[in-house]
Amino acid sequence: SQQGEEDPQALSIQEGENATMNCSYKTSINNLQWYRQNSGRGLVHLILIRSNEREKHSGRLRVTLDTSKKSSSLLITASRAADTASYFCATEYNFNKFYFGSGTKLNVKP
Amino acid sequence: DVKVTQSSRYLVKRTGEKVFLECVQDMDHENMFWYRQDPGLGLRLIYFSYDVKMKEKGDIPEGYSVSREKKERFSLILESASTNQTSMYLCASSSRQVGGLYEQYFGPGTRLTVT
Repeated sequence: SQQGEEDPQALSIQEGENATMNCSYKTSINNLQWYRQNSGRGLVHLILIRSNEREKHSGRLRVTLDTSKKSSSLLITASRAADTASYFCATEYNFNKFYFGSGTKLNVKP
Repeated sequence: DVKVTQSSRYLVKRTGEKVFLECVQDMDHENMFWYRQDPGLGLRLIYFSYDVKMKEKGDIPEGYSVSREKKERFSLILESASTNQTSMYLCASSSRQVGGLYEQYFGPGTRLTVT
């Protein structure tokens, strides 16, 4: 499977702490994206990083990509209770087609 | 405000019934997708459409078919529903730009239970 896999499967932290989740994939990609899913809802796009980029920021989010290790990480700084959600990485393995991992479930305790 | 809507949030059907799940997007996107989401398995692509009347099979097309007669509408059809098709179904759309952003916009999902 080319599927991206997130690690850890679940993460529980206190409000104000940083949360880091990782994604590994198996084959060459065009880009990698991170999505958030609140309980029982659709996914919302957070950030996209292209295969020739190493790091990208968006607000409290920082994404890194290491193509030599076929891995990416998502860092959420100064987490809030509202960040409680599942986070998925999606790898574009073919033009406009994506594989999604099974997600990291983040719980931010107030 | 961009929007992808799905016809039902919750649906209960009996084994053997023909089931239609409808998805509509208002962003004039070329691409539309149907995924199913099951615990521990992530999202799995069922079918993908890149233009009206055009479709490609995803990872798990067996037991499903799709229809795209208009650009904004993409339907998923379960020809004869079975209990192993009980799942959350997510529709998404994206634009198709070479070198551009391919972020997908998702609908709220339809939780289908087949009894």
